[in-house]
Amino acid sequence: AQSVTQPDIHITVSEGASLELRCNYSYGATPYLFWYVQSPGQGLQLLLKYFSGDTLVQGIKGFEAEFKRSQSSFNLRKPSVHWSDAAEYFCAVFSSSGYALNFGKGTSLLVTP
Amino acid sequence: SAVISQKPSRDICQRGTSLTIQCQVDSQVTMMFWYRQQPGQSLTLIATANQGSEATYESGFVIDKFPISRPNLTFSTLTVSNMSPEDSSIYLCSVERSGVSGELFFGEGSRLTVL
Repeated sequence: AQSVTQPDIHITVSEGASLELRCNYSYGATPYLFWYVQSPGQGLQLLLKYFSGDTLVQGIKGFEAEFKRSQSSFNLRKPSVHWSDAAEYFCAVFSSSGYALNFGKGTSLLVTP
Repeated sequence: SAVISQKPSRDICQRGTSLTIQCQVDSQVTMMFWYRQQPGQSLTLIATANQGSEATYESGFVIDKFPISRPNLTFSTLTVSNMSPEDSSIYLCSVERSGVSGELFFGEGSRLTVL
């Protein structure tokens, strides 16, 4: 069955520290991969996406993600976290055989001073 | 990008009543999507609404409970019928970026609390 897994429900990092949020997927072919962020009281905003080509993709707000086919992963990273990055982060997958976006359960990021 | 406006942004409803959520987009779009986000949960697709045709519902969602209208290319409504506390959720309208499968723009959501 097709699935998207975000193993970490909550992550706490100190401001200025590096961040990595994990995402694994289970799909037959190479899917389209996305990371969305949901700030408190806000709708979802696209951070970055991977369709093909260079496996390291850059997004907004200093985020990047790396597609690793061998590990079926698409982890999100940021070298230095800011307090404003505290939010809910969703990994999502779009299968070329489907028509809708499939979201992971999300990782809640807390940033401490 | 697309700007999506949803109304109401939040509401408190009584059990057994129905509420209609409106979604307005600032550009013409073919497909509009309605998602539900239950407290502490991820987003679940309710249905896909194409202009001029019946909405397509995902498994576990039915038209009688979540009727959808799509009268034109910039507007859609989702009704949550005969509400129960289990329907307390954020309901999100979204549209797909033209020509980019899977890349969605979202409204800010409608937070419903059913007492």
